[in-house]
Amino acid sequence: EVQLAESGGGLVQPGGSLRLSCAASGFTLRGSWIHWVRQAPGKGLVWLSRVRGNGDIARFADSVKGRFSVSRDYAKNTLYLQMDNLKAEDTAVYYCAREMATDTLFDYWGQGTLVAVSA
Amino acid sequence: IQMTQSPSSLSASLGDRVTIICRASHDIGDNLGWYQQKPGQAPKLLIYSASTLQSGVPSRFSGSGSGTDFTLTISSLQPEDFATYFCVQDSTYPYTFAQGTKLEIK
Repeated sequence: EVQLAESGGGLVQPGGSLRLSCAASGFTLRGSWIHWVRQAPGKGLVWLSRVRGNGDIARFADSVKGRFSVSRDYAKNTLYLQMDNLKAEDTAVYYCAREMATDTLFDYWGQGTLVAVSA
Repeated sequence: IQMTQSPSSLSASLGDRVTIICRASHDIGDNLGWYQQKPGQAPKLLIYSASTLQSGVPSRFSGSGSGTDFTLTISSLQPEDFATYFCVQDSTYPYTFAQGTKLEIK
């Protein structure tokens, strides 16, 4: 069964850093594309990034370009989102989602992890 | 590309037919999807490529449109359909979601 599980969220001060994990099961990250999407409390969905599962190709939204980066651990079948220089407006639930084989939209999502940026 | 959805909220009764509209600021072909989200849950893909029903999604959901104008139709509302619906374009980076339509019970 395909599953994704995010972790690593929490409370961080403005200017701080956090690393989120997206652990995959039921499929291999290496052959997949993963998206990151966030949702601020009570707000809509915002696309952040599309990453090839081996971490070598990544596209980012302008709002996080230069501050967010990705890496992966093949042994753990896990992708990481490194978030630096965090701002209050980065406060949101962060989801990772797997891109479909037949379309560039995403079918399987994790349950999300909450990041709160506040002094 | 900006995505605009209407209405932003909608009250309807069980068994009703409802239509949600999504408009793109530029031609996106058929590169559009629809998601359903319930409180505290991750979004669920309903429709991709504007009109293709995702596996496992009930046939009462349908999508249509191309270019800039798209619709999601629920033919006969069921209790589990009361949720928020979002359209998203995957034609060009960055992918963009509309603000959503909250479907409530009348």
